[in-house]
Order: sequence, then C-alpha cells, then structure tokens
Amino acid sequence: RKEVEQDPGPFNVPEGATVAFNCTYSNSASQSFFWYRQDCRKEPKLLMSVYSSGNEDGRFTAQLNRASQYISLLIRDSKLSDSATYLCVVNKGSARQLTFGSGTQLTVLP
Amino acid sequence: DAGVIQSPRHEVTEMGQEVTLRCKPISGHNSLFWYRQTMMRGLELLIYFNNNVPIDDSGMPEDRFSAKMPNASFSTLKIQPSEPRDSAVYFCASSLKPNTEAFFGQGTRLTVV
Repeated sequence: RKEVEQDPGPFNVPEGATVAFNCTYSNSASQSFFWYRQDCRKEPKLLMSVYSSGNEDGRFTAQLNRASQYISLLIRDSKLSDSATYLCVVNKGSARQLTFGSGTQLTVLP
Repeated sequence: DAGVIQSPRHEVTEMGQEVTLRCKPISGHNSLFWYRQTMMRGLELLIYFNNNVPIDDSGMPEDRFSAKMPNASFSTLKIQPSEPRDSAVYFCASSLKPNTEAFFGQGTRLTVV
C-alpha cells in the first residue's frame, strides 16, 4: 500500500461547482498534514495546513479523520483559476519528512 | 522575501556527463529537501538534511547521485555519470524545521540526451 494515496482524477467541473478530494495515508503515527497546489510546469505551493479540528480558508475547507486515516479538501464555488493539481502531503511518522501523494488533477470549465 | 533559489532552471546534457544542481534555502530554515518529479513516479524525496546534516538519503536512486550541504545557505545535488532516465524536474525545498510546511524552489528541468 502506498504511504499516501489520492484519486488521480481528472476532475472536470463547471465554474461555481463544489468539488471534494480525499486522500488516505498508511502511517497512523503521522502528525502533520497539508494540501499543496501545483500548476502546470510550476513548483508545488502550500495551499493550507490541515488541523485535527478542521480548518477553512475562504472557499477551501480541509478536514482530518485520524480514525480512518484520511484527509479531505473541499472547494466551494470553484473558479477557473482553481484548475491545478492538488497534492496531499503527510509527514512520514517518526522520520519526520513530508511524503507527497501523486496528486489529483482538477480542471474547472467555463 | 527571497524564496528558495535553484540553479540552473534548465539543463540539457549528454549521457555520461556530470550534472550539478544548486540550491539556496530560505534564510533561517533548518531543513532542506531534494525532490525529483516525473510523470510516471510523481514527486519523490531523494534526500533530506537537518541543520546541514543528511538525515535520510534512502530515496537516492543509486551511487551516481550525491548531495552535500556545506553550510546553511547552500546545497548541491550531483549526478555522475548522468543517464537519460535521470531526466526529470528536480526541486529543492526548505522548511523551518522538520514536520512543518516546506517551500519549494522553481525547480531545475534536467534533460539527459
């Protein structure tokens, strides 16, 4: 089983739609969780950290479910500029470095 | 604020040549990571340093790859000899400390022909 698994997509949604991505992780000792965004031919950029209580940043909501070992990202009222690949990132337990999922590709259509 | 700076941005080299990629982390960051990204394998961690010391190099594919961090503001990733299968985008990233968010450089796109 991969350490971090994501549905690769692609997700093609119309503008204004709500879209959700899930990500599962295998190491129950993982402590830090993030969502990164990567545009085509660019570097990954931090979108948001994921906290146990869940957190929201504008149109973006991230949630963590430790019992089931998954994190989620919800994007409301999607914009054309949200088109990108979204990477789920988990720290590798006691080894402490970050492990990236393979990414979920989102295209928001006009 | 200057982010992570990588050089060169693009590198085209012939098989068998030595390639050196460079990285300057964000000032004050104590952890530095080298990643490689390909379509087939996604983003893979090659090696990570904490306080200039290599902590985990289990992702380094083989002996042809080596990385150094002689001081807190500079790191290199060297491939010698290079092979076509090394063609990828190599990213350097730094973070304040392990387990915190990492900030990426713009990457070096390496093509080995």
